[in-house]
Amino acid sequence: AQKITQTQPGMFVQEKEAVTLDCTYDTSDPSYGLFWYKQPSSGEMIFLIYQGSYDQQNATEGRYSLNFQKARKSANLVISASQLGDSAMYFCAMRPTGNQFYFGTGTSLTVIP
Amino acid sequence: SAVISQKPSRDICQRGTSLTIQCQVDSQVTMMFWYRQQPGQSLTLIATANQGSEATYESGFVIDKFPISRPNLTFSTLTVSNMSPEDSSIYLCSVTHRQDSYEQYFGPGTRLTVT
Repeated sequence: AQKITQTQPGMFVQEKEAVTLDCTYDTSDPSYGLFWYKQPSSGEMIFLIYQGSYDQQNATEGRYSLNFQKARKSANLVISASQLGDSAMYFCAMRPTGNQFYFGTGTSLTVIP
Repeated sequence: SAVISQKPSRDICQRGTSLTIQCQVDSQVTMMFWYRQQPGQSLTLIATANQGSEATYESGFVIDKFPISRPNLTFSTLTVSNMSPEDSSIYLCSVTHRQDSYEQYFGPGTRLTVT
């Protein structure tokens, strides 16, 4: 079975602090991709970061990094130096072989000034 | 990456009517998908839009309710037919450039409200 789990429905972080958003996944496919998307209140889905299952190093994109622990099947997103504009919904997603994307239920992040 | 536009950005429709949503990409893409996001929920894949042939629908979605067209590599439409309030959602178009590419990009979405 393919499944993505985000256990934090809501998170708060102080501006300029770092925050970790949790994501665990389940798949029997040996090859898969893991993604994080940001969805502001406007509704668009903004691609943040990607990690391939065979990638040796954790992915980083600016202030975003993905803490990939394959044995634990986790792909947590770390946002460093939080900004007010980071307040949004964050979705973890997985794409095993094939076209289907599996999305988690999302985490609502609020950055406090 | 790809620049994706959707029309309309939002609409309010009456029960029983139909709405066609357009998705335009600025470059040729291999795969085009349509997703639905109901209020407060995650994204659910409706179907894969195939160029020149019938779309491939996921379980729970049927062509009569969500007819899809894809006449070329840069354009697709999704129609929501005989709408009911339960169809109130954000509908998102997404694309990948290559069949073996894991990267998937989303359009800005169409926010539909059915009264």
